[in-house]
Amino acid sequence: EVHLVESGGGLVKPGGSLRLSCAASGFTLSNYTMSWVRQAPGKGLEWVSSISISSSYVYYADSLKGRFTVSRDNAKNSLYLQMNSLRAEDTAIYYCARLFHYGGYDYSDYWGQGTLVTVSS
Amino acid sequence: DIQMTQSPSSLSASVGDRVTIACRASQSISNYLNWYQQKPGKAPKLLIYAASTLQSGVPSRFSGSGSGTEFTLTISSLQPEDFAVYYCQQTYSVLWTFGQGSKVEIK
Repeated sequence: EVHLVESGGGLVKPGGSLRLSCAASGFTLSNYTMSWVRQAPGKGLEWVSSISISSSYVYYADSLKGRFTVSRDNAKNSLYLQMNSLRAEDTAIYYCARLFHYGGYDYSDYWGQGTLVTVSS
Repeated sequence: DIQMTQSPSSLSASVGDRVTIACRASQSISNYLNWYQQKPGKAPKLLIYAASTLQSGVPSRFSGSGSGTEFTLTISSLQPEDFAVYYCQQTYSVLWTFGQGSKVEIK
């Protein structure tokens, strides 16, 4: 059974850094593109970043302005999100999701339960 | 970025009603459009991909249609477990975007 478990969230002061992890099980991580999606309290979904199978292609939402870095370690079945220069507006639940590619179409078929990041002084 | 706009933002409906949610893209996205359902405190769940293909295990009362810039999600007969927030997502661009969500509430 596919499982994605995020960790690393917590309370951080504005300007601080945090590294999120996503542990994958039940499938071979090295076969899938992965992504991060966040959701501010009471708000909608916002795509954050995607990373290809071999990390050759990485994409970020324009709103992040270079503050976040996505990476992966396929040998450890893990996905990461390094978040720097955090702001109050980065407060959100962060989900990792597996991207399924089929017939030229992409969609997130499995999601983790999310980890909460709170940026506050 | 491609902007996705959903309507309505919320609606009230009764069990058994037919419900339609619209999603409009700011430019043509062909049929690179997904629909997700999210219940309180839970992660999103994929319902439909490629605008009209039902994900395995999703009840057939859910359907999707559209291409280009106009899309719809239809629930043919609303069930109690369908009260949730629904999001559209475009994957035409490598910079994905979601609609703002449409909340389906009990009348």
